[in-house]
Amino acid sequence: DGGITQSPKYLFRKEGQNVTLSCEQNLNHDAMYWYRQDPGQGLRLIYYSQIVNDFQKGDIAEGYSVSREKKESFPLTVTSAQKNPTAFYLCASRQQGSSGANVLTFGAGSRLTVL
Amino acid sequence: GESVGLHLPTLSVQEGDNSIINCAYSNSASDYFIWYKQESGKGPQFIIDIRSNMDKRQGQRVTVLLNKTVKHLSLQIAATQPGDSAVYFCAENPFGNEKLTFGTGTRLTIIP
Repeated sequence: DGGITQSPKYLFRKEGQNVTLSCEQNLNHDAMYWYRQDPGQGLRLIYYSQIVNDFQKGDIAEGYSVSREKKESFPLTVTSAQKNPTAFYLCASRQQGSSGANVLTFGAGSRLTVL
Repeated sequence: GESVGLHLPTLSVQEGDNSIINCAYSNSASDYFIWYKQESGKGPQFIIDIRSNMDKRQGQRVTVLLNKTVKHLSLQIAATQPGDSAVYFCAENPFGNEKLTFGTGTRLTIIP
């Protein structure tokens, strides 16, 4: 089955440590995204990538970094510079909906907790 | 600035009844609107999308209505089932823009 795989599902980190969240897709989608979701809130865009070896900052990129060396993979690193990293992180890839909209397919998410 | 907001943060509906979830948007340049469903601990799932040149679109048990005059979007779910309990997000997507702007979500609870 085609889809997006995020790992790990749960991650605990000590303050001052960098952690990397994995995102892999086998949907052959060109564009991939990382969102952050806090309790009771909507999704905020961290980074996105439209093609391999290229990516752009979203609305809350500070304290995060990404790479896009392969079409299938878009890992997100949460650095020690991110002041409030505890959140639910969602990876997505883009396809075009039947109306022409940019429809995102999401992974199951990774929940990061900083101790 | 641009924003997508929801009128009600929570909604409870009796099983079998119809539900309506509302969303207001402020970016008149948005061409596409999308509804997502998110169950607890999972990623959002696509439900239905609509383009700004339409005012209504139907799917299986769902209907999306778009009123551009008042910048309002709604999702109607017919004959609700327990599995419909989730948080529902609307999102807007301006034409040619890679980014979607999401609302804060409405939690729908189906009462058995």
